[in-house]
Amino acid sequence: DAKTTQPNSMESNEEEPVHLPCNHSTISGTDYIHWYRQLPSQGPEYVIHGLTSNVNNRMASLAIAEDRKSSTLILHRATLRDAAVYYCILRDFYNQGGKLIFGQGTELSVKP
Amino acid sequence: KAGVTQTPRYLIKTRGQQVTLSCSPISGHRSVSWYQQTPGQGLQFLFEYFSETQRNKGNFPGRFSGRQFSNSRSEMNVSTLELGDSALYLCASSLEPGQGTRMNTEAFFGQGTRLTVV
Repeated sequence: DAKTTQPNSMESNEEEPVHLPCNHSTISGTDYIHWYRQLPSQGPEYVIHGLTSNVNNRMASLAIAEDRKSSTLILHRATLRDAAVYYCILRDFYNQGGKLIFGQGTELSVKP
Repeated sequence: KAGVTQTPRYLIKTRGQQVTLSCSPISGHRSVSWYQQTPGQGLQFLFEYFSETQRNKGNFPGRFSGRQFSNSRSEMNVSTLELGDSALYLCASSLEPGQGTRMNTEAFFGQGTRLTVV
């Protein structure tokens, strides 16, 4: 299973953008880059995923490096409700089915 | 559309007992995965079921088992409970790639079952 590396924790101020980095130097061609977050006392929640091109949705943007060895999750305006642990995961559904291998994630704290 | 439902939400068991946890996936989802979350080990993959067959298995002892029914509902069982089995057990369901228009799909998680072994 390809591994990801994320900082253990990050801090942000409310209403400011947040850039959460993820390194995945051993990514394979069939790995999709997924981001999930887990709010306190809840199950993980899907945020966004991509393969090669940058992606946007209502929650966030995903910027993927040209060589795909790193990616950045961008929260455009952090709110207090964005305080959570963010997980960057490589998912190869075709070869490995639906399993997700979670790392330690990045704990994001948001200051008012 | 109802989300992933896990029952029970909380459970207290004694060492040596066995326990069965239930997961109802989102309607139409045929892939169901189970995860164990502890403060020390984080989120760890247990196993995945698809069309009533175990498709993937994590690195857990044989005391941990599961099954999936024809309606995609899944159960996991832990026998001979140990104190270290105390954890939050999470279930997730997914569509298969190619179902509908999605070529890669996200997992939807339930709220989990909090198991305490005393």
